[in-house]
Amino acid sequence: QSALTQPASVSGSPGQSITISCTGTSSDVGGYNYVSWYQQHPGKAPKLMISQVSNRPSGVSNRFSGSKSGNTASLTISGLQAEDEADYYCSSYTSNTTYVFGTGTKITVL
Amino acid sequence: EVQLVESGGGLIQPGGSLRLSCAASRFTFSSYWMNWVRQVPGKGLVWVSLINSDGSNTRYADSVKGRFTISRDNAKNTLYLQMNSLRAEDTAVYYCARGGIPGTIDYWGQGNMVIVSS
Repeated sequence: QSALTQPASVSGSPGQSITISCTGTSSDVGGYNYVSWYQQHPGKAPKLMISQVSNRPSGVSNRFSGSKSGNTASLTISGLQAEDEADYYCSSYTSNTTYVFGTGTKITVL
Repeated sequence: EVQLVESGGGLIQPGGSLRLSCAASRFTFSSYWMNWVRQVPGKGLVWVSLINSDGSNTRYADSVKGRFTISRDNAKNTLYLQMNSLRAEDTAVYYCARGGIPGTIDYWGQGNMVIVSS
């Protein structure tokens, strides 16, 4: 199973909105509404930010939102804040009843 | 809140074996699927294996199939990963992670480092 494709880095100024893409295939992202997004700060465990394409777990800021079109999912962070600077990973359930993660995107707040 | 604590990592020679454990608490362990995910420091997350709630169904990434075995003891609220024939490329931080709502890995442990080196 090949990793889902994400941009290596995205940057934005405080208050701006940024979007991270996550491209897979019809066997993973395109085939199921089971895309998740994780935030990972250096030296820390990943934290679930979005589940099932667009659902925010309790406690996650409403500045984070998710969507999907075809084989590409997206995470949008609005009102960018310094604390959002981290690595972000998408993941998808697959047709092999396994999971696959994205290549990861480093978000830099300018 | 959900707690997952990994243990058993360390330095091991190529070809050797190691068993990771993950102690779960603050949720009904026997009701949830569980996963192992690994991450080479500075690199991305890679899914390794999953097991269903009663242990009857397991899946593995191609890179570890035939070498790693996932198991669980619901009476002890503990998840395991038996790693045999270890290779240098298995060096990584190994995370224990809970399978939550369908298609979602929701809670993660703090990670446990495994270093395969002579």
